[in-house]
Amino acid sequence: AQSVTQLDSQVPVFEEAPVELRCNYSSSVSVYLFWYVQYPNQGLQLLLKYLSGSTLVKGINGFEAEFNKSQTSFHLRKPSVHISDTAEYFCAVSVADTDKLIFGTGTRLQVFP
Amino acid sequence: DAGVTQSPTHLIKTRGQQVTLRCSPISGHKSVSWYQQVLGQGPQFIFQYYEKEERGRGNFPDRFSARQFPNYSSELNVNALLLGDSALYLCASSFRTSGSYEQYFGPGTRLTVT
Repeated sequence: AQSVTQLDSQVPVFEEAPVELRCNYSSSVSVYLFWYVQYPNQGLQLLLKYLSGSTLVKGINGFEAEFNKSQTSFHLRKPSVHISDTAEYFCAVSVADTDKLIFGTGTRLQVFP
Repeated sequence: DAGVTQSPTHLIKTRGQQVTLRCSPISGHKSVSWYQQVLGQGPQFIFQYYEKEERGRGNFPDRFSARQFPNYSSELNVNALLLGDSALYLCASSFRTSGSYEQYFGPGTRLTVT
């Protein structure tokens, strides 16, 4: 079975500071990795995904993530955050050959002016 | 192009009642998945349908059922509602039936059971 752990439930940060949201996963088979963002009262929007190839993945809104197979991690980073990045961020995995996504419990990013 | 649409936006039901939620996928997408997101938690997978056939089912009781129509839209039905069914129900569509291909989520239907 697969599982996803988001180590921080909340991350407060000041505007223009860098941020890292941590995600670890567990799986005995190959998985694909995703980060989604959810703004208040909205659905989920895909930020970025890792399927294969380069372990550094760039996404929308200046976010990037690095896949580390040995540490089974897929941490999300942004070098300079904006107030508008305040949202809930979810890490997810899907098992190859399925559409089923397994989500972590989410990290609330709060950006202060 | 229109994204994934869901109806209704909000719904209030009483314990024991039945509810039907609807989802229209992005044009050309043949796979639809349903997720339940309880407040403060990540979404939990309920069902996946492709070409009107169930391709995956999460750990939910038989009170939950779904179907997909020839136009690829989908309905999620929940019978004998419990207070714990209160959640945001998300629908996602994708072009492929399997694999890591991007899933596009709708805005969700917020169900409140009183």
